[in-house]
Amino acid sequence: QKEVEQNSGPLSVPEGAIASLNCTYSDRGSQSFFWYRQYSGKSPELIMSIYSNGDKEDGRFTAQLNKASQYVSLLIRDSQPSDSATYLCAVRPAGGTSYGKLTFGQGTILTVHP
Amino acid sequence: SAVISQKPSRDICQRGTSLTIQCQVDSQVTMMFWYRQQPGQSLTLIATANQGSEATYESGFVIDKFPISRPNLTFSTLTVSNMSPEDSSIYLCSVRLADYNEQFFGPGTRLTVL
Repeated sequence: QKEVEQNSGPLSVPEGAIASLNCTYSDRGSQSFFWYRQYSGKSPELIMSIYSNGDKEDGRFTAQLNKASQYVSLLIRDSQPSDSATYLCAVRPAGGTSYGKLTFGQGTILTVHP
Repeated sequence: SAVISQKPSRDICQRGTSLTIQCQVDSQVTMMFWYRQQPGQSLTLIATANQGSEATYESGFVIDKFPISRPNLTFSTLTVSNMSPEDSSIYLCSVRLADYNEQFFGPGTRLTVL
């Protein structure tokens, strides 16, 4: 079982729609959760972080966390063609030998078509 | 966030040679990491760069192949030794800033080994 798993892509949505990206993780002790956006040929860019159960909103982006279900998601409202990128879910465990390290999912490619 | 620079941004190298990649940050950081991203893949952690001591390597990565230095809080180098075409990847420096939970990435070094 992969430690961090994202919904298989690619995901294609029309401009103006809501894009929903999902991620599950295996380490129940994980405390910090991040979403990165990576444009082709560029390095990952942090767009959202979430640490508590519930929703966290930042502009058109909403991150949702459910620790009981070991599930984190990213919603992009009013999707724009400029949102087309690979989205990476990353999880940091609470401590132990994995202290400070991020584990990444395989990424979901999002395409927003006009 | 922080300004993270990497040098070189890209290079084409011959099999059997070595390349040293530099990472410089403009802020005090608590942790520095080196990642590899192979074509079409997600990010894989190579090692955690420790200030003034040997780096902590992940499974599958060894010091002889990827020697790392971190002489101070804001600078680190990764050397890819005795390169083969399988080492062709993007190598990314990543930092976690003091007093912040988030982790940021440098622009990456695109390495091609012929």
